[in-house]
Amino acid sequence: TQLLEQSPQFLSIQEGENLTVYCNSSSVFSSLQWYRQEPGEGPVLLVTVVTGGEVKKLKRLTFQFGDARKDSSLHITAAQPGDTGLYLCAGARNNDMRFGAGTRLTVKP
Amino acid sequence: NAGVTQTPKFQVLKTGQSMTLQCAQDMNHNSMYWYRQDPGMGLRLIYYSASEGTTDKGEVPNGYNVSRLNKREFSLRLESAAPSQTSVYFCASSVFLGGQETQYFGPGTRLLVL
Repeated sequence: TQLLEQSPQFLSIQEGENLTVYCNSSSVFSSLQWYRQEPGEGPVLLVTVVTGGEVKKLKRLTFQFGDARKDSSLHITAAQPGDTGLYLCAGARNNDMRFGAGTRLTVKP
Repeated sequence: NAGVTQTPKFQVLKTGQSMTLQCAQDMNHNSMYWYRQDPGMGLRLIYYSASEGTTDKGEVPNGYNVSRLNKREFSLRLESAAPSQTSVYFCASSVFLGGQETQYFGPGTRLLVL
């Protein structure tokens, strides 16, 4: 079993729709990161959240860290085809970082 | 500034063959990592190097060895490849920014072991 469970595993939506993807765990993390990975490339860091309840915005993307620092969500407003990719969350604890399996998002024009 | 580079991009091996995956970074980062990515499994850490001259095992080190040749280069060696090692391998380096670690990944090496 994964330490970090991401849901949904796959998501296909139309351009302009809103969506939320989740990253859940039973473990507490000192910080949590979200990455986006495009086909044939390595992951690229989007954001790091550190404080329980923290909300960060990156243009149309909103990231939230759960109050208990065990889970996180990523909300995309008015999705665009350029948002297509694999979204990975990664939690850090005790100098160890673990990745979830990712949510593969497809945004159709 | 090329960031993190990896060679080769693709490789096909037969069971039992050996090979070395190369990684280099030009960002003067102390820490470097090797991950493998498999469908439904996410990224799993194989080995890491916190600084030149040191290496440590990660989550899945069996069947692999590493060498931190200098500050720029960190190689991953498969001494006797097995089909279970078919995967996409990513190298990364990291730096602390604002108190938080930021990892920069290379483009990956796609390995098929027959």
